[in-house]
Amino acid sequence: DTEVTQTPKHLVMGMTNKKSLKCEQHMGHRAMYWYKQKAKKPPELMFVYSYEKLSINESVPSRFSPECPNSSLLNLHLHALQPEDSALYLCASSQDQYEGAGTEAFFGQGTRLTVV
Amino acid sequence: QKEVEQNSGPLSVPEGAIASLNCTYSDRGSQSFFWYRQYSGKSPELIMFIYSNGDKEDGRFTAQLNKASQYVSLLIRDSQPSDSATYLCAVSTSNTGKLIFGQGTTLQVKP
Repeated sequence: DTEVTQTPKHLVMGMTNKKSLKCEQHMGHRAMYWYKQKAKKPPELMFVYSYEKLSINESVPSRFSPECPNSSLLNLHLHALQPEDSALYLCASSQDQYEGAGTEAFFGQGTRLTVV
Repeated sequence: QKEVEQNSGPLSVPEGAIASLNCTYSDRGSQSFFWYRQYSGKSPELIMFIYSNGDKEDGRFTAQLNKASQYVSLLIRDSQPSDSATYLCAVSTSNTGKLIFGQGTTLQVKP
């Protein structure tokens, strides 16, 4: 089973709203990732958690706030977003973060976010 | 120079032919290489990964890695219309665990 589950699938929010994206995996993976993907572009890394600790923040604006409550769950809290933040937000997980076997990342189906 | 480069395509092949997708990377210390398939409006799906020089085969797919030339490729044999998608090459940069994607190559398999 290589399933990563993201909720919700679609989200429309206003610029003053607060919302959260959720991601769950039950593969025992210890690394979890948030990516952002705009249309016709590759995924861009936002955050990496390794063993429930934030290990990489790719200089993401503070209106995006990640949280890893436990080894199976990853949240992305959204506040005061801009229309240009509209994108597909992808969660991924891998057995481990660093080089070599076990770093294969499996993606969830994504949350398509529209900021109005 | 981009970290991971792919020809954006589209690459058009007839059904039953071999599709060859190529990728080059700039970080000589990279150790992990991945190919993802992404259908329009969907999320990336991992189809191949390779860590050692040489070829790795899985069904109709073969990944080829040449670290000396900093080159990784994906061959799809007996291409089917259902293979039509964008193929993303991804490289895990040395010591950081960051997965860097190329721009993707659009493959069109014509019946």
